[in-house]
Amino acid sequence: DAGVTQSPTHLIKTRGQHVTLRCSPISGHKSVSWYQQVLGQGPQFIFQYYEKEERGRGNFPDRFSARQFPNYSSELNVNALLLGDSALYLCASSPGLAKPTSTDTQYFGPGTRLTVL
Amino acid sequence: AQSVTQLGSHVSVSEGALVLLRCNYSSSVPPYLFWYVQYPNQGLQLLLKYTSAATLVKGINGFEAEFKKSETSFHLTKPSAHMSDAAEYFCAVSWMDSSYKLIFGSGTRLLVRP
Repeated sequence: DAGVTQSPTHLIKTRGQHVTLRCSPISGHKSVSWYQQVLGQGPQFIFQYYEKEERGRGNFPDRFSARQFPNYSSELNVNALLLGDSALYLCASSPGLAKPTSTDTQYFGPGTRLTVL
Repeated sequence: AQSVTQLGSHVSVSEGALVLLRCNYSSSVPPYLFWYVQYPNQGLQLLLKYTSAATLVKGINGFEAEFKKSETSFHLTKPSAHMSDAAEYFCAVSWMDSSYKLIFGSGTRLLVRP
């Protein structure tokens, strides 16, 4: 079975631009989460979506937004890019059969490496 | 505030030696605890998780961790290191009231010397 897939693998943007990152969860998984991993740090939670609804948001500015589609895939959008947005963006999916729970295992994709110049 | 701390950004061991990676959490409510491994240019892979069942948790690749409430710790161990264990290891926590997000430590890079 395919794992979590993310596209693109790498991306280079300049300050002020907009970026869209994409994620396809494991087949059958209904919950998708996004994390930002700055070099040398642990991942930080950005969003979680379940059944197309936002279930949680981390401490990120409104320049960050996301959505989940009927097929459970997801997009993360970042507007007005700053140098500090350079990071590895990780998508994780979990079954969320009834609703997401704290004990759900989150399965991570390989990430999208975003560089802002 | 709820947080997780990993002591030692780098740990170096010889092949065949004991691996011990430390993780402590701060919370008034016992959390759920996870260890993930990240190989270069890859995403995170779950090694093991504690969800309030047995305090000693066995994971993949010979790793195990013990939840000690009195010490607010969840240290990761492996009796004998292998060269393929060289990677970045992250401890993460979640809580029943959060229902969704993982809070990660800053990571420990494990180096294995031949």
